[in-house]
Amino acid sequence: DGGITQSPKYLFRKEGQNVTLSCEQNLNHDAMYWYRQDPGQGLRLIYYSQIVNDFQKGDIAEGYSVSREKKESFPLTVTSAQKNPTAFYLCASSRPAQGVGTEAFFGQGTRLTVV
Amino acid sequence: EDQVTQSPEALRLQEGESSSLNCSYTVSGLRGLFWYRQDPGKGPEFLFTLYSAGEEKEKERLKATLTKKESFLHITAPKPEDSATYLCAASSNTGKLIFGQGTTLQVKP
Repeated sequence: DGGITQSPKYLFRKEGQNVTLSCEQNLNHDAMYWYRQDPGQGLRLIYYSQIVNDFQKGDIAEGYSVSREKKESFPLTVTSAQKNPTAFYLCASSRPAQGVGTEAFFGQGTRLTVV
Repeated sequence: EDQVTQSPEALRLQEGESSSLNCSYTVSGLRGLFWYRQDPGKGPEFLFTLYSAGEEKEKERLKATLTKKESFLHITAPKPEDSATYLCAASSNTGKLIFGQGTTLQVKP
């Protein structure tokens, strides 16, 4: 089955530690995105990538880093510089066609808690 | 600055009571306007894509419409299973996909 897989589903991090969230897709999509969702809030864009080996900062990139070495994979690292990392993290992918945007499909999310 | 704003934040309806959700957008070179449904603790589920003003899409009790500045999600005769958070998103010409804060809908039997 084609889709987007995020792992792990739940993650606990001690203060001062870096942690990496995994996102893999087998939809052959070019574009991938990372969002953060806080309780009762919408989705805020952290980073996005339209093509392999290229990515752009979103609205809340501070304290996060990404890489896009393969088309299928877009891991997100939450660094110790992120002051309030406890949140629900969502990864998405889409296949943008020239001139139009196409719908993005989401993984089931990773819930990160700082302990 | 690219921005998407949804209203109301929360909406309570009786079963069968129709209503509309609003999504206002300011985006550089709109490449698409999207509606999603999100259930608690899960990833958003795609509903509709709209590309140009005047376009409409329908699915069961839901109909999405688009103008040059807004999109509406009309819910006709809702059922309790329609209870969820509805998210609106806009794709800009830079490739950004920007979401609004969502409208949480509760439909009581």
